[in-house]
Amino acid sequence: QVQLVESGGGVVQPGRSLRLSCVASGFPFSSHGMHWVRQAPGKGLEWVATISYDGSVSYDGSYKYYADSVKGRFTISRDNSKNTLFLQMNSLRAEDTAVYYCAKPIQTYCSSTRCSYFDSWGQGTLVTVSS
Amino acid sequence: EIVLTQSPGTLSLSPGERATLSCRASQSVSSSYLAWYQQKPGQAPRLLIYGASTRATGIPDRFTGSGSGTDFTLTISRLEPEDFAVYYCQQYGSSPITFGQGTRLEIK
Repeated sequence: QVQLVESGGGVVQPGRSLRLSCVASGFPFSSHGMHWVRQAPGKGLEWVATISYDGSVSYDGSYKYYADSVKGRFTISRDNSKNTLFLQMNSLRAEDTAVYYCAKPIQTYCSSTRCSYFDSWGQGTLVTVSS
Repeated sequence: EIVLTQSPGTLSLSPGERATLSCRASQSVSSSYLAWYQQKPGQAPRLLIYGASTRATGIPDRFTGSGSGTDFTLTISRLEPEDFAVYYCQQYGSSPITFGQGTRLEIK
């Protein structure tokens, strides 16, 4: 069955960096665009970033693949040979404190917004930005 | 950016009752690209509905999604004890993807 396992979270000081990983199994990872979604403590869900199935970052043809709140600080990437999704987070802020989920859409070979609803999620990894 | 407003914020009902959850968009959601998720404490969200009305795999038929344009509804016909949770709507018709703030469904 589909499994998504995130890791890499922890406590980090403001301005520092952290790299999250999500190891996928149980489905053809290289056929799916992948996403990061976060949830601040006690709050709702916020989409963070999307990467296409082959690693080229395109999104609705406008190359907007990051939420404005993380653009320029976060980088999404993937290694299809290792079935792993990454999120490099730099210049972390207190408001980045959240559980970070990797999420898989149902459709294959589609990374546009219109395929971006998620039938599988990891268990999440908590990132706490605090001095 | 499309803002999704869910109402009510909290809904208190008893098992066996009918629940109606609303999700209103600040502008029309393209082609009904709207999904609903259920989230229980300490768990990841679970996809219930996509395309405004299509149930995801394994979702019981007591969950029904409806609506179009700017107004969408999730109806749970007869509440089971396991249905008490937080529910989120999500639009994926335009960038950026956005979620509503959630409706908490609690046991009365």
